[in-house]
Amino acid sequence: GAGVSQSPSNKVTEKGKDVELRCDPISGHTALYWYRQRLGQGLEFLIYFQGNSAPDKSGLPSDRFSAERTGESVSTLTIQRTQQEDSAVYLCASSFIWSTEYEQYFGPGTRLTVT
Amino acid sequence: KQEVTQIPAALSVPEGENLVLNCSFTDSAIYNLQWFRQDPGKGLTSLLLIQSSQREQTSGRLNASLDKSSGRSTLYIAASQPGDSATYLCAVSYNFNKFYFGSGTKLNVKP
Repeated sequence: GAGVSQSPSNKVTEKGKDVELRCDPISGHTALYWYRQRLGQGLEFLIYFQGNSAPDKSGLPSDRFSAERTGESVSTLTIQRTQQEDSAVYLCASSFIWSTEYEQYFGPGTRLTVT
Repeated sequence: KQEVTQIPAALSVPEGENLVLNCSFTDSAIYNLQWFRQDPGKGLTSLLLIQSSQREQTSGRLNASLDKSSGRSTLYIAASQPGDSATYLCAVSYNFNKFYFGSGTKLNVKP
């Protein structure tokens, strides 16, 4: 079956503009995660969804960042008034939470460049 | 604060060599640990997942071990090949809510 998909694959935006990133998880996966990876660094946890709820938003770096999930499927990560430090690859992962393993499957990421 | 450290940060070896990548974590009460590879410009590919009750997992030329008490995991790659060149990441979870990643080991296998 299809894996995790993300769109767009690349996004260049001007400082101060809003951007919306999309993640389509594997069908049936109940959990969805967003991460940020700055150049040369590891993954930084942003937010986790169980179904359409986000019990843990502790990783969102500021109130400019928000995320939602609908239909226990697609999720969007929105960054308002983008700053240059938001430039990074944003990765989405999903997992089947009722599996005892909680193995994560990642999408290819969205590379965001803020000019 | 949970921290995950990977050593070395980079590694270059000739083809055919066996090698070990290290991952350490500060809080030993993990739920599971997962090893990934990341190719340039791409997402993460899961390699092995070890539950906290397990000591090792094997897949082909890869073997991952887990020592919870010492807060360590190793990824052993046998008979390395140029196609193994990538960045290897380990991730630790304490529940299903969140995973903590190391900054990775960049592996280069020279033909």
